[in-house]
Formats: sequence, structure tokens, C-alpha cells
Amino acid sequence: SQKIEQNSEALNIQEGKTATLTCNYTNYSPAYLQWYRQDPGRGPVFLLLIRENEKEKRKERLKVTFDTTLKQSLFHITASQPADSATYLCALSDSWGKLQFGAGTQVVVTP
Amino acid sequence: DSGVTQTPKHLITATGQRVTLRCSPRSGDLSVYWYQQSLDQGLQFLIQYYNGEERAKGNILERFSAQQFPDLHSELNLSSLELGDSALYFCASSVIMNTEAFFGQGTRLTVV
Repeated sequence: SQKIEQNSEALNIQEGKTATLTCNYTNYSPAYLQWYRQDPGRGPVFLLLIRENEKEKRKERLKVTFDTTLKQSLFHITASQPADSATYLCALSDSWGKLQFGAGTQVVVTP
Repeated sequence: DSGVTQTPKHLITATGQRVTLRCSPRSGDLSVYWYQQSLDQGLQFLIQYYNGEERAKGNILERFSAQQFPDLHSELNLSSLELGDSALYFCASSVIMNTEAFFGQGTRLTVV
């Protein structure tokens, strides 16, 4: 069955450092990979989308890489701030658009 | 504000009852997704519609059904409710498939 795995343990990081999150998948050939941010009790908010033929995407302090050989994506938050504290979700979609999410990794940025 | 509207925001109902959750997608978005998020689980994909047609199905229970209407709004019907159906139900929409999805604020369903 298709699986999307993210680190289940919270990532505690000091303000100003780079947070790196991992998303691994199996039994999947995604056309697109997306990252979302979710705050408690709220709907996820889109951050970045990367296509299967792209290696890297950047947006402000965010960077995502996509390795279809390793079946892995890395998500980086540089110069992290306390306001970046949230749960970050990896999502994969196939060519039909079915968008499935990983369980998410909680990031806690301390001053 | 994502532009996706879900009603109601909160719903408390008894076991065995039936409820309908409503979603209005962003103007112009053709694709609508429904997700369930329980306390101890991540976002579980339920079903996707595209321009009125069912496009993909996840692990949606037979007691649950959905539809997308000609004006593109969508409804999720949950019947014979059980305590375990208590969860946050999110609707999301996107312009077409495989683009960023915009989520509503969710409907918190409590079954007592």
C-alpha cells in the first residue's frame, strides 16, 4: 500500500538555525509533492509545490528538494523564527490529483 | 482567509444520527477534496471531485457519501454516526488537479 512517512518526533530547534524535515514515500509514483503548514485546530496552509522533474524549489526562507530515486523530499526552514512553530505536512499527488498527506512533523522554535 | 467556506463550524450530534457538512470552494476552483482528521491521526483523504464528477476515493466508509453540485459546492453526508466519527472534517479546493489546495477552517464534529 502507499505510504508517506514523516518524522513523528517533534523537532526542537533554536531560533536562527535551519530546520530540516524529511518525507519518505513508498509504493508511489507522485507527479507532484507539496508541503503545507498546519496550526492547531486550523486547516493546512500551502507552502511549496515541486514537480517530479524538478530537483529543488525555493521560496523566501523555505527550500524543498525532491529525489524520485530515493523517494524522498527534504524541507528546510532557514533562519527559523518562533513564528515558524507549527506542524509541517508533506503531501503527494498522482497524475489524477489525489492528494494524500503524511502525518506531519511538529517544529518548535525556541528563542 | 483561504476563500473556502465550510459550514457548520461545530456540530454535536448523537450516535446513529445523520449529518451533512457543506463546503463552498474558492471562486473558480473546480476540484474539491474532503479530509478527516482525528486527534490521533493525520489528514485522511476521503474523496475528491472535479467539476462535478467523482475523481478519486480514499478509505471512505460506506456510511459516508459526498457529491459536488453544478455550482461546484460540495456536501459530505455522514450517517449512522458512531463515537469514532468524531473528528475535524476539512474541505479543500484547487483550480485544477495538481495545484496548490486551499483548505477551509473545518467542521468539528462531536458524536455523543
